[in-house]
Amino acid sequence: GDSVTQMEGPVTLSEEAFLTINCTYTATGYPSLFWYVQYPGEGLQLLLKATKADDKGSNKGFEATYRKETTSFHLEKGSVQVSDSAVYFCALSGGSQGNLIFGKGTKLSVKP
Amino acid sequence: NAGVTQTPKFQVLKTGQSMTLQCAQDMNHNSMYWYRQDPGMGLRLIYYSASEGTTDKGEVPNGYNVSRLNKREFSLRLESAAPSQTSVYFCASRTGPGEGSYEQYFGPGTRLTVT
Repeated sequence: GDSVTQMEGPVTLSEEAFLTINCTYTATGYPSLFWYVQYPGEGLQLLLKATKADDKGSNKGFEATYRKETTSFHLEKGSVQVSDSAVYFCALSGGSQGNLIFGKGTKLSVKP
Repeated sequence: NAGVTQTPKFQVLKTGQSMTLQCAQDMNHNSMYWYRQDPGMGLRLIYYSASEGTTDKGEVPNGYNVSRLNKREFSLRLESAAPSQTSVYFCASRTGPGEGSYEQYFGPGTRLTVT
């Protein structure tokens, strides 16, 4: 079945460092891909999305490109801030019921 | 426009007790979902509703029941709580099925502890 694999955390970076969180997927068909962010004690918020191959999603300085040839959707940010500390989830729209299939999440901590 | 709301935010139950988690959305979405989040497991689908009056099982439905009361509300019931149901529960909604984007909008979650 469809699945998402993302890099294990936790990831600890200093402020202004470059961030990459790897995400690869297995899916039949052509799913949409998403990154969600969960701040401490809160629900999940959509960070960015891409609906077809070569699309680039971007928001709040974060970017991810839908790479069909490598089945990847890696999240990047050029300069992280303390306020980016959160758990990041990669997901795809692969469920038979229209549900999202999530990776296990990557916890990011950014130190001043 | 409140989006997706959930009540309660926190709950502690004893083994064998029952409770209902409430969820409501004001975005006129057709599809609603219940997920549970456990450490290191991501989110797993418990139940799904494509429209008022219809529900389907997800990946981990055992021990739960749901009701799609109307287009706005989708409740999750634990009839006899077990410690394995200690988790954070999220409700979500989206347009569809068969229409619009697949992105889902999530509520703030209910943190449930079963002792």
